[in-house]
Amino acid sequence: DGGITQSPKYLFRKEGQNVTLSCEQNLNHDAMYWYRQDPGQGLRLIYYSQIVNDFQKGDIAEGYSVSREKKESFPLTVTSAQKNPTAFYLCASSSRDRNTEAFFGQGTRLTVV
Amino acid sequence: AQSVTQPDIHITVSEGASLELRCNYSYGATPYLFWYVQSPGQGLQLLLKYFSGDTLVQGIKGFEAEFKRSQSSFNLRKPSVHWSDAAEYFCAVGGRRGFKTIFGAGTRLFVKA
Repeated sequence: DGGITQSPKYLFRKEGQNVTLSCEQNLNHDAMYWYRQDPGQGLRLIYYSQIVNDFQKGDIAEGYSVSREKKESFPLTVTSAQKNPTAFYLCASSSRDRNTEAFFGQGTRLTVV
Repeated sequence: AQSVTQPDIHITVSEGASLELRCNYSYGATPYLFWYVQSPGQGLQLLLKYFSGDTLVQGIKGFEAEFKRSQSSFNLRKPSVHWSDAAEYFCAVGGRRGFKTIFGAGTRLFVKA
């Protein structure tokens, strides 16, 4: 089945550590996105990528980094510079060639302990 | 500026009653409009979308939405709610090819027996 896989589902991090969230898709989509979700704030865009080896900052990119070395993969690193990293992170992808919706992964819940 | 407003943070309806979730948007060009549903701890699933044409669109799970350009609204409706519809609902607006889709803050639906 085609889809988006995020791993792990739950992640715990100590303060001061970097951590990387995985996102893989087999939908052959060009565009991929990372969103952060906090209660009562909807989804906020962290980074997005329209094509391999290119990505753009979203609305809340500070303290995060990404790479897009392969079409299928768009990992997100939450760095120690992110002041409040505890949140639910969602990865999504969409086709660049057609007007279409974004498809979402199941999310990763990151907790800083 | 582009924005999406969902005026109701949460709504409670009785099982079998009708439902309407409100969504207002601000977008400079022709909007592409979406409704997504999210169960706790899960990703988002598309319920329906509007790109053009008939302003009343049908979606999955018996949901429908009506696009009203004059009111900048895209309200979600269901004639008879089931207990399994309890979830969080997000309205979203995007431009061509769905880039930088903007999400509302969400409306949490509670269903009482």
